[in-house]
Amino acid sequence: EPEVTQTPSHQVTQMGQEVILRCVPISNHLYFYWYRQILGQKVEFLVSFYNNEISEKSEIFDDQFSVERPDGSNFTLKIRSTKLEDSAMYFCASSGIGGNEQYFGPGTRLTVT
Amino acid sequence: RKEVEQDPGPFNVPEGATVAFNCTYSNSASQSFFWYRQDCRKEPKLLMSVYSSGNEDGRFTAQLNRASQYISLLIRDSKLSDSATYLCVVKADTGFQKLVFGTGTRLLVSP
Repeated sequence: EPEVTQTPSHQVTQMGQEVILRCVPISNHLYFYWYRQILGQKVEFLVSFYNNEISEKSEIFDDQFSVERPDGSNFTLKIRSTKLEDSAMYFCASSGIGGNEQYFGPGTRLTVT
Repeated sequence: RKEVEQDPGPFNVPEGATVAFNCTYSNSASQSFFWYRQDCRKEPKLLMSVYSSGNEDGRFTAQLNRASQYISLLIRDSKLSDSATYLCVVKADTGFQKLVFGTGTRLLVSP
């Protein structure tokens, strides 16, 4: 069964450093998303991406965040200068034609010290 | 008012019990509805979409009441492996828009 994959599973970084989180969506999917979940809180939407551009973003997704699809398979989330409050689980998701059902990757746990 | 509201639980039930979770949503424009399951420190996994006519998948039955903006999930014959957090999720449209999650209801099934 096809699945979304994410690397790394855990990333530890110092405040102010840049991090890149990587995702490989399901191969025939066209819509890509990033969500985050701070420990003990609900899953929150960050950004959606379709046809090589951002289609929607939340208030959380400020200028420190960017997304890219550098090739035909990877989808990345970059945080330019990490803050302590960026510590969370980051989930990538993708959906197919019609875009209705979204499937999530296993997540990257980001710890900012 | 929260966009998606759920009782956090936990619901403690014995194996074989029937348990029901409820959820309310505030955006009357919401068009798509889902239940996801999340195990501790894992990703949300799609359990089922929820249709206006109600739908069933094995031991799981989901119902939608658009007038009351209310969604439910019924689990029959609970198994130990059903222990997880159940997330009520809505989307404003049927397309590729963002999912809005509830905080989840925790279920603990005991032997």
